Amino acid sequence: DSGVTQTPKHLITATGQRVTLRCSPRSGDLSVYWYQQSLDQGLQFLIHYYNGEERAKGNILERFSAQQFPDLHSELNLSSLELGDSALYFCASSVEWGFTEAFFGQGTRLTVV
Amino acid sequence: AQSVTQLDSQVPVFEEAPVELRCNYSSSVSVYLFWYVQYPNQGLQLLLKYLSGSTLVKGINGFEAEFNKSQTSFHLRKPSVHISDTAEYFCAVSVAPGGSNYKLTFGKGTLLTVNP
Repeated sequence: DSGVTQTPKHLITATGQRVTLRCSPRSGDLSVYWYQQSLDQGLQFLIHYYNGEERAKGNILERFSAQQFPDLHSELNLSSLELGDSALYFCASSVEWGFTEAFFGQGTRLTVV
Repeated sequence: AQSVTQLDSQVPVFEEAPVELRCNYSSSVSVYLFWYVQYPNQGLQLLLKYLSGSTLVKGINGFEAEFNKSQTSFHLRKPSVHISDTAEYFCAVSVAPGGSNYKLTFGKGTLLTVNP
């Protein structure tokens, strides 16, 4: 157990809908990273938050947004869902800014039908 | 920007044989290097990391990797594999302190299949 909790584990939804994925980092970790894993794209970095502030953006679509709350948990919001958004979404956390030690959650498997 | 190339998408081996999973990276700045393992239907688990110091790093489950700056490589090795090592292995790179944009860039992964 990495200490990073992601909910829900599985999510099935229809095209055009909106979903929220939740991540609780390890106790004391200030950084949260979101990744998307798909068969064709592999592991793609989406966004990084550090202590509530956005620090870096990767290949994140405009339909996607995220935030980190004062208690340091993070949410990834996916809207106007398309079939191609079906993927495994991972959250990772680390204690500091840099990636010297990062721990990944079990992921949320999103299926868009 | 950083990039990672895992040279083999699949590596089949027999149990108790040695294995090497190859990883090359590209970066214009100093980097940290990582290997992660993903078992079926699970998240990613850190196997080992290179931050600085000795170029030979040892990780969990008997794995080790060697950082070679001149060849920009970070190959993963295990002298004797077990059936339970069957998994997908990801090499990853991040920028060392002093740079910016601390994302972790992953390779495409290598599926290691250990056969009896």
